[in-house]
Amino acid sequence: AQSVTQPDIHITVSEGASLELRCNYSYGATPYLFWYVQSPGQGLQLLLKYFSGDTLVQGIKGFEAEFKRSQSSFNLRKPSVHWSDAAEYFCAADTNDYKLSFGAGTTVTVRA
Amino acid sequence: NAGVTQTPKFRILKIGQSMTLQCTQDMNHNYMYWYRQDPGMGLKLIYYSVGAGITDKGEVPNGYNVSRSTTEDFPLRLELAAPSQTSVYFCASRFSSDEQFFGPGTRLTVL
Repeated sequence: AQSVTQPDIHITVSEGASLELRCNYSYGATPYLFWYVQSPGQGLQLLLKYFSGDTLVQGIKGFEAEFKRSQSSFNLRKPSVHWSDAAEYFCAADTNDYKLSFGAGTTVTVRA
Repeated sequence: NAGVTQTPKFRILKIGQSMTLQCTQDMNHNYMYWYRQDPGMGLKLIYYSVGAGITDKGEVPNGYNVSRSTTEDFPLRLELAAPSQTSVYFCASRFSSDEQFFGPGTRLTVL
């Protein structure tokens, strides 16, 4: 079955430190891949997306993600975290049926 | 553009009551979706639509109904509310393979 897995439920990081959120997918073919962020009480906002081409994708708010076909992964990174990055992050994937499947999410806490 | 709008923002229902969650998008998107979000579960697809007059079930359709009479509107109907339907509901829309845009959500409690 097609699925998206985010192994980390909760990550705590110090302000200014780097952040990496893991995402693995299980699809027959390479899906379209997305990272969304959800601040408390808000809807979801797209951080970045990968369809094809360059495997390192730049997004908004200083985030980037790297697609690794051999590992079926699409990990999200940020070199230096700000307190405003505290949120829940969702990895999502779909194929050409345009129905997103979401991971369970990773909650990021930023400590001063 | 207002994007994707949802009403109401909050609602408390009694068991057995019915209600309709409204969703409207002004981006002329062909695809529209309803998700529910429960803690630790991510978002689960309830129903989706590929265009006016066409709807289909997602992962968790039981207890819900939808209609799509126009491109802009995609209401979600709960006929007999149950405590298991307590959740946050998100409507979303997209144009083909492009980015999916989400509404702000409706927080529903069934008591």
